[in-house]
Amino acid sequence: QQPVQSPQAVILREGEDAVINCSSSKALYSVHWYRQKHGEAPVFLMILLKGGEQKGHEKISASFNEKKQQSSLYLTASQLSYSGTYFCGTLTSYGQNFVFGPGTRLSVLP
Amino acid sequence: DVKVTQSSRYLVKRTGEKVFLECVQDMDHENMFWYRQDPGLGLRLIYFSYDVKMKEKGDIPEGYSVSREKKERFSLILESASTNQTSMYLCASSRSPGLGSSSYEQYFGPGTRLTVT
Repeated sequence: QQPVQSPQAVILREGEDAVINCSSSKALYSVHWYRQKHGEAPVFLMILLKGGEQKGHEKISASFNEKKQQSSLYLTASQLSYSGTYFCGTLTSYGQNFVFGPGTRLSVLP
Repeated sequence: DVKVTQSSRYLVKRTGEKVFLECVQDMDHENMFWYRQDPGLGLRLIYFSYDVKMKEKGDIPEGYSVSREKKERFSLILESASTNQTSMYLCASSRSPGLGSSSYEQYFGPGTRLTVT
């Protein structure tokens, strides 16, 4: 079952912050985050394993709330290069069913 | 520099034709994947393979088949193309013997935009 992402789209000015959420109705083992720039292939950002740890990648960080089966991606002081579509992918604890979410389109304007 | 390549960036085929999409990776990865990407639906898994000659159905396998005769190559086959298979097709690979206990990042190819008329 596909995870739910919110918002579907967000528009920011350079320097503003954003949060993208990913939630599942199933118990999760891990959450993956990818970014796809227009016309390019998706690129891996980070993996979060159950345990609630937070990870970071430059000014992009993420958390994983195991109890809520939810992950949030935090983009701080956004840059023009952050524009693209962000996908979460979830791996359930039961079996090997890895599924990507529908994506969140992020546009950063000057 | 890791690389996943796909045989074509753009492909136009007629309804009923047999279509082959090829994917090659040079990272000696065990896992290879075929996804279909449509607006608003994200990346949907068609098939994946965790070893040579091994394959598993993903979420939308209907109308597709796959072949993995060599570790580095994973082919997606549309036996009889239909207009509803017009889409962007992305291949990916990852290491690890499966998507089980430890999950490794997937490396994606540039994609093939297939149009079926």
